[in-house]
Amino acid sequence: AQKITQTQPGMFVQEKEAVTLDCTYDTSDPSYGLFWYKQPSSGEMIFLIYQGSYDQQNATEGRYSLNFQKARKSANLVISASQLGDSAMYFCAIPGFQKLVFGTGTRLLVSP
Amino acid sequence: AAGVIQSPRHLIKEKRETATLKCYPIPRHDTVYWYQQGPGQDPQFLISFYEKMQSDKGSIPDRFSAQQFSDYHSELNMSSLELGDSALYFCASSYPSGLDYGYTFGSGTRLTVV
Repeated sequence: AQKITQTQPGMFVQEKEAVTLDCTYDTSDPSYGLFWYKQPSSGEMIFLIYQGSYDQQNATEGRYSLNFQKARKSANLVISASQLGDSAMYFCAIPGFQKLVFGTGTRLLVSP
Repeated sequence: AAGVIQSPRHLIKEKRETATLKCYPIPRHDTVYWYQQGPGQDPQFLISFYEKMQSDKGSIPDRFSAQQFSDYHSELNMSSLELGDSALYFCASSYPSGLDYGYTFGSGTRLTVV
């Protein structure tokens, strides 16, 4: 079965600084992908970035990038130049059979 | 671009009442997933449907049932509601290979049981 571990319940960062949110995973699937979602206080689940296990380069979407280290089974999210609007819960997720399996999330607070 | 539509956005019910949540997936997405997210918790998988047939089942109470209709929309029916059912209920849709196309979530239905 797939498992996601997010060890940081909360993170603080100052505006314009970079922050890394940790995610480690466990899966027996030979081919898989990792997703990151953002959940602001309004509740919606917003897709941020995806990386496939066989992708050669780390995924990048604007200010979001994935630091994917397959040997260590980690897929950390890097947010560059943090903005106040980045304050939210962030979930790492991995596909299981016919579902996404989520980690427990990291709450990010960006201060002015 | 079309998104996953959930209705209603908010719902208040009394204990022992029933509730029906609706989900309209992205056109041409044929897999629908339901999740329950309690306060301060991560989303917990309830059930999924592929081509109108149940494809996987998680920790869904027996009081809950769901189905996917011919137009691919899905409904989650909850009976004998309990206070602990208060949560945010998400629907998501994807192609069968969610790996490549990702899972798109609706805005959720916030259910409050009083």
